[in-house]
Amino acid sequence: KAGVTQTPRYLIKTRGQQVTLSCSPISGHRSVSWYQQTPGQGLQFLFEYFSETQRNKGNFPGRFSGRQFSNSRSEMNVSTLELGDSALYLCASSLESVWDGYTFGSGTRLTVV
Amino acid sequence: SQQGEEDPQALSIQEGENATMNCSYKTSINNLQWYRQNSGRGLVHLILIRSNEREKHSGRLRVTLDTSKKSSSLLITASRAADTASYFCATDSNTGFQKLVFGTGTRLLVSP
Repeated sequence: KAGVTQTPRYLIKTRGQQVTLSCSPISGHRSVSWYQQTPGQGLQFLFEYFSETQRNKGNFPGRFSGRQFSNSRSEMNVSTLELGDSALYLCASSLESVWDGYTFGSGTRLTVV
Repeated sequence: SQQGEEDPQALSIQEGENATMNCSYKTSINNLQWYRQNSGRGLVHLILIRSNEREKHSGRLRVTLDTSKKSSSLLITASRAADTASYFCATDSNTGFQKLVFGTGTRLLVSP
């Protein structure tokens, strides 16, 4: 079966712009989570969606937002980009919860210049 | 903040040798998971061990969990060059909060 698909793979944006990243989970997976990975902070939890509802949110500013559609696909948006937002953004899906284990996408590498 | 701390940060071995990585965490958990990441790509789920389990095997992987010491170890036996990657432990919490907290990772280099 198809894995978790993240688009785009690479993105270069200018400070102050906004960006939208997309994630298509494995068919049948209802939980989608987003993580930010940087060399300095490692893997940090952004938010988790289940059945179109944000179930959990990490400690990120309000510039980071997301949503989930009825087909479980998810998007995350970052507004007013800062240099420090440069990172690998990873989407992970699971059947229903973290206890099912995640399947990760290959990530979107965002560079803010 | 990261709950898991992994030790060592980096490990370099020869093919055929065993590799052991350790993970310590801070709070009570429901389960602990290990993931592998190749060259900054997505993470691959390796194994999940529940808090009431002490040891689990999957192929060449052996994971132990000691909840009294809040620690886990991942053993890769008969390592191969293809095992070269970063390895992360990840814990949930027993509060029901739906997220994993990842450790700092161990970079494993297996030389032919």
